[in-house]
Amino acid sequence: DGGITQSPKYLFRKEGQNVTLSCEQNLNHDAMYWYRQDPGQGLRLIYYSQIVNDFQKGDIAEGYSVSREKKESFPLTVTSAQKNPTAFYLCASLLGTADSNQPQHFGDGTRLSIL
Amino acid sequence: GEDVEQSLFLSVREGDSSVINCTYTDSSSTYLYWYKQEPGAGLQLLTYIFSNMDMKQDQRLTVLLNKKDKHLSLRIADTQTGDSAIYFCAPSPSGYSTLTFGKGTMLLVSP
Repeated sequence: DGGITQSPKYLFRKEGQNVTLSCEQNLNHDAMYWYRQDPGQGLRLIYYSQIVNDFQKGDIAEGYSVSREKKESFPLTVTSAQKNPTAFYLCASLLGTADSNQPQHFGDGTRLSIL
Repeated sequence: GEDVEQSLFLSVREGDSSVINCTYTDSSSTYLYWYKQEPGAGLQLLTYIFSNMDMKQDQRLTVLLNKKDKHLSLRIADTQTGDSAIYFCAPSPSGYSTLTFGKGTMLLVSP
């Protein structure tokens, strides 16, 4: 079955530590996105990538980094510079066909907590 | 940029209709999506409407769009307890672009 896989489902970070969240899709989608969700805040865009080896900052990119070396993979690193990393992180992808409407598809999320 | 507003909470009884409202600011929004999020899960696309439509019906779901007032609503007929979730409105200027999400409306359906 095609879909978006996020791992791990739960992740714990110590103070001063970098952690990487995985997002893999086998939908052959061009674009991929990372969102952060806090209670009562909705979803906020961290980074997105519309093509391999290229990505753009979203609204809250500080303290995060990404890479897009392969079309199917878009890992997110939460660095020690992110002072409030506890949140639910969602990855999404989009086919990227300019001629028709294509909605974003979401993974099941990773919940990150500080120890 | 786009600003999206939704009421935060709605409580209904099973079998009633639910109406979730959304207002947005970007008049260039071409596609307007509704997503559903169950506890601890990702977002599931429910339905969407193009900006050149006033209404779209899909089984128990009806989407109404007032483009002049930039107001979108999602009506769920015969609401069931399984409909309890957070519902997000997300306008987009095109299918390839980023989405702006509202804060979500938590729908609670009581038996």
